[in-house]
Parts: sequence; C-alpha cells; structure tokens
Amino acid sequence: KAGVTQTPRYLIKTRGQQVTLSCSPISGHRSVSWYQQTPGQGLQFLFEYFSETQRNKGNFPGRFSGRQFSNSRSEMNVSTLELGDSALYLCASSLGTSGSNEQYFGPGTRLTVT
Amino acid sequence: KNEVEQSPQNLTAQEGEFITINCSYSVGISALHWLQQHPGGGIVSLFMLSSGKKKHGRLIATINIQEKHSSLHITASHPRDSAVYICAVRRNQFYFGTGTSLTVIP
Repeated sequence: KAGVTQTPRYLIKTRGQQVTLSCSPISGHRSVSWYQQTPGQGLQFLFEYFSETQRNKGNFPGRFSGRQFSNSRSEMNVSTLELGDSALYLCASSLGTSGSNEQYFGPGTRLTVT
Repeated sequence: KNEVEQSPQNLTAQEGEFITINCSYSVGISALHWLQQHPGGGIVSLFMLSSGKKKHGRLIATINIQEKHSSLHITASHPRDSAVYICAVRRNQFYFGTGTSLTVIP
C-alpha cells in the first residue's frame, strides 16, 4: 500500500498570502489529522477529519482551516500568513478517530513565510 | 501547563547501552503513542498502548495507567536509533511531549 503523501513538500510564501496544503491518506483510511511542528512549540494538533466532517480542532486561530473530500483526501488552508506560521506541517491518516488507531504520518510540508 | 512531560530532553549514549525515556501525563487518556522522528522530519509510530507492555525488536514500551506514566526502553542501542522520540496521548485530540533527542555514539 502506498503511504501518506503530502504536497507540496516545500513552500515559500510571503506574509499576507494564503497557502493550501494537500494530504492523501493511505487507501482505506477515513481519518486525517493535521499537525504543526515548530522548534519552539513542538508538535501541535490542528484538526482532525473523518468522513468529510471535522471531528476535533486544536487551539489555532480561524486563519487555519481544512476540509476533507469524499475520497478522504484532505486540504488545509492558512490565510493571511504570518512569519510565525513557518513550520513543518504534517498530516497523518488512520482507520478511525479512536485513540487506539495507529497514526501513519506523511513526510510533511515545510512552509517558510518571509 | 503541558499535559505531557517527557524526560530527559537530550540523551547521549554509547552503542550497546540500555536507554530509558520517560513520559508523564496529566489527563485521562484513551491511548498513549510513542513516535520516532528522524532528521528530515519523517515520523514513524513505534507503539500504541492503553495498558501493560509491548515489545518490538529491541524496543519495549510500558504504561502504568494509575500513575499516568509510560516508559520507552531501547536495549542494545545502536547509532541508527539516533532520533527524536515523542510521547503523545490521545484524549479528544492528541497532546504531544516536547520530545527526547537521542544520540547513540559508536
């Protein structure tokens, strides 16, 4: 089975712009979660989608949004980019939303905001 | 206040040493995960625990639900074990420890 894929892998944007990141889960996985990783804050949960519905949301401003399509692929969008949004954005897929489901991580998208 | 605390933050070991990384959490959880992250960013799930102990090769993970504590042990450490190890707990969402950076010297 193919693993979790994320596109693009690297991205450079300017403050004020918006960005859309994409995540394709492992075939058969219906849950996709997004995470932000920075040197200062470590890994932080952004949101989780299951069957096209947002199930949980972390403590991030409304500039961060996401969606999931019927084929379980997911996108996250960050509007009005700030320098502090520079981070590695990771998505992970799993069979379900229960904590007892193993998470499979993608390689991440490294976003640099200048 | 961080829901998940890991120790130590950094660890250097000689090849062959027995290594222990500790994780304490303060919330009720449905499961605890141990993750491994190599330079470059890729994260691999090592273990998922809700009770007891699991073993995979040279890696052993234990959890004590009453004490809200988990440990990750690496026996006969090897330079390829050098990575960041992250403890994560699942409640309604995932909460992550700050990670333990392990360097194993040949």
